[in-house]
Amino acid sequence: DAKTTQPTSMDCAEGRAANLPCNHSTISGNEYVYWYRQIHSQGPQYIIHGLKNNETNEMASLIITEDRKSSTLILPHATLRDTAVYYCIVRGTGANNLFFGTGTRLTVIP
Amino acid sequence: NAGVTQTPKFRILKIGQSMTLQCTQDMNHNYMYWYRQDPGMGLKLIYYSVGAGITDKGEVPNGYNVSRSTTEDFPLRLELAAPSQTSVYFCASSLTVNQPQHFGDGTRLSIL
Repeated sequence: DAKTTQPTSMDCAEGRAANLPCNHSTISGNEYVYWYRQIHSQGPQYIIHGLKNNETNEMASLIITEDRKSSTLILPHATLRDTAVYYCIVRGTGANNLFFGTGTRLTVIP
Repeated sequence: NAGVTQTPKFRILKIGQSMTLQCTQDMNHNYMYWYRQDPGMGLKLIYYSVGAGITDKGEVPNGYNVSRSTTEDFPLRLELAAPSQTSVYFCASSLTVNQPQHFGDGTRLSIL
């Protein structure tokens, strides 16, 4: 599976959009981009995933560049409860492992 | 719908003791996984199962054993606990290999 690079930490004001970047320059054609988050001491929570097209669900939007070498997770209106570590994971079809890395620690500031 | 349930939530073991971490899911998922997470690090896959009766090693299987006699349950066994196994253990499940994984709340294990 391709490796990912994320900033170590980010801050976001409450109510503003949080944009979390992820680089995955070695991604191959059949690898999906997944985003999970882990709120302090809890199990990871699935947020969203995509292959080529931009995706949106009730939690977030995922923007994948045309060359697929990077993506951005967007939380449209960040709340204090969105403070967590966010993991960007690239995973091939049929791969059993999720390689979590160290993620981005997002702090939402009142 | 409880999702993925792990027990116990906390446990302290002495070196050399054994124990079983329990994991059960009520979503009829075929795939189940065990991860460990050391402080400040991401998760590492220990073992996984693609269905009842089938298990396979992940990235860090040494010192652990698993079984999968039913679709719902996927216990993780530590036979001879060592300090290096102090960690938080997460169980997860997914309907298929490409579907998102759902995680339990973890078991915090300390070995002294």
